[in-house]
Amino acid sequence: AQRVTQPEKLLSVFKGAPVELKCNYSYSGSPELFWYVQYSRQRLQLLLRHISRESIKGFTADLNKGETSFHLKKPFAQEEDSAMYYCALRGKGFQKLVFGTGTRLLVSP
Amino acid sequence: DTEVTQTPKHLVMGMTNKKSLKCEQHMGHRAMYWYKQKAKKPPELMFVYSYEKLSINESVPSRFSPECPNSSLLNLHLHALQPEDSALYLCASSQEGVQGQGNTIYFGEGSWLTVV
Repeated sequence: AQRVTQPEKLLSVFKGAPVELKCNYSYSGSPELFWYVQYSRQRLQLLLRHISRESIKGFTADLNKGETSFHLKKPFAQEEDSAMYYCALRGKGFQKLVFGTGTRLLVSP
Repeated sequence: DTEVTQTPKHLVMGMTNKKSLKCEQHMGHRAMYWYKQKAKKPPELMFVYSYEKLSINESVPSRFSPECPNSSLLNLHLHALQPEDSALYLCASSQEGVQGQGNTIYFGEGSWLTVV
């Protein structure tokens, strides 16, 4: 079974502070991991995929298979980063994308 | 064009009504999806179409009836819904087919459905 856990419902930080949004997963095979972001009144957008290993808007995420984690990090948070962030998992060769419960990031000035 | 377009944006329907949600993409994607998202909850998969054939039905009640008329269009027909079906319905698409890997799933803005 596929399961994604995001332990924090809300993460509140000040502008310029480091941010880490936690994501742990459960899957018996090799998963694909994603971070999606949903800004207020906007559509769900892909932020990062683990296979591309890129940095988008200053965010990075590393897949740690030993700890079954895919935490999202940014060294210096900006107010425009305030949004709902969803970690998601898809089993290789399967179409079903399973989302975590989401973490709302609030960056205050 | 990397957009998935959904209509209508808002829909209010009675429990005896029949209505449809529509979704369109012109990215050449051959997999299309319906997700349901309740307030403050993550999206939950309902259906997946692959090459215009239904490949996944997540035990969705029959009052929701998907249809994929062609590779660019996806409909969700609604009939005899309940108030608890009120939610944001998200359409999405991606490039892969049944055995595809690693392709981005693009989401539409969603259709807000209220059942009264």
